[in-house]
Order: sequence, then structure tokens, then C-alpha cells
Amino acid sequence: EDQVTQSPEALRLQEGESSSLNCSYTVSGLRGLFWYRQDPGKGPEFLFTLYSAGEEKEKERLKATLTKKESFLHITAPKPEDSATYLCAVQGSNTGGFKTIFGAGTRLFVKA
Amino acid sequence: DARVTQTPRHKVTEMGQEVTMRCQPILGHNTVFWYRQTMMQGLELLAYFRNRAPLDDSGMPKDRFSAEMPDATLATLKIQPSEPRDSAVYFCASGSEIEAFFGQGTRLTVV
Repeated sequence: EDQVTQSPEALRLQEGESSSLNCSYTVSGLRGLFWYRQDPGKGPEFLFTLYSAGEEKEKERLKATLTKKESFLHITAPKPEDSATYLCAVQGSNTGGFKTIFGAGTRLFVKA
Repeated sequence: DARVTQTPRHKVTEMGQEVTMRCQPILGHNTVFWYRQTMMQGLELLAYFRNRAPLDDSGMPKDRFSAEMPDATLATLKIQPSEPRDSAVYFCASGSEIEAFFGQGTRLTVV
């Protein structure tokens, strides 16, 4: 069964203090791994899609990396506006189509 | 500014009543998803459509939930009869294999 586990559940950082969020996954035939950002009261906002081990993608202070078992979302010199819940999700080929399994998320708090 | 539009944003209803949530996907997107989000379960996929055809609704309680796409600009999710355990935020998303764009959600409270 496809599974996604995110850690830590919550992360508190000082502004400028770089860190990483982890997403461990179990899936039969990875079609894609996705990172989303969700602000309170809003829908998830798409950040990245990664397809194969070794792939990396960057957007502003965020960088996502992928191995065969996990993905990391690196946050460099975060700012208070980076505070949000970050969600990881996977699509596996065994489920067919576009069925996407989400992790529980990591709540990030960045203090000025 | 293309976006997924969901209505209503908030809905409070009594147990046993029918609830209909609507979604206008982004023009040109051929895949539409319905998700439910709760504190306990997180984001769960209920159903999704491609080119208006239902591909997977295994995440939905079949006896009370139904999802349809009457046309390319409208997706609906109905609950009949509603129960308190259906209280959650329901999200619609549209997109492709590469990425999905979420609406603002409908916060449903069943009392």
C-alpha cells in the first residue's frame, strides 16, 4: 500500500535559520512526488513535482530533492512569510491514473 | 488570473439534509479532483475525473456521496443524507499529470 510519512510534524525556526523537511514514501512504481504549501484557510499551493531519484528543483528559498525512499524540502534562510504547512504527496503506478496520496504535513513556523 | 472556484465557501447544515458543493475548474484543465481534509485524516482523495469521465471514486462512501461533471466548466459533489462525520473542508483541484491547482475549499459543518 502506498504510504507517505512526513517529519517533523512541526518545526520552529528563527528567521535565517536554514533547515530541511523530510518526506519518506513507500510506493510501487513512483510516477511523481509532489510538494505543496498550504496556508491557513486556503487550498494547497503547488510547489514542485519530482519524477526520479537524483532530481532536484528550486524555487526562491526552497529546494526539493528526491531519492528512492525519501524527499527533502530544504529551506535556505527562511523568512516569516515562509510559515505554512508543507505537504508531500505521491502518485504510484500500481494505483493507476492520478490517484495521489498525501502525507500529514509539516507545520513550519519562522520567527522574525 | 486563472483559478479554481468553489462555492459555497462555508456551509452549515443539519444532519440528514442534502449538501451540494460546486467547483469551476481552470479552463483547459482536463483532470478534476475532489479531496476532503480533516485534522485527523489529512487530505484524502474522494474522486477524480478526466475529460469529464469518472476514473476513480473509491475514496467516496458510495451510499451517500456522488460526484459528477455535467460539463467541462462545472463539477459537483453531493452528500445525501449528510452526517456530522462529514464535517470537513472539501477541496476541488484541477490540473494535469504534472501539477494540480486547488480551490479555496468549502468548509462543511453538519450539526
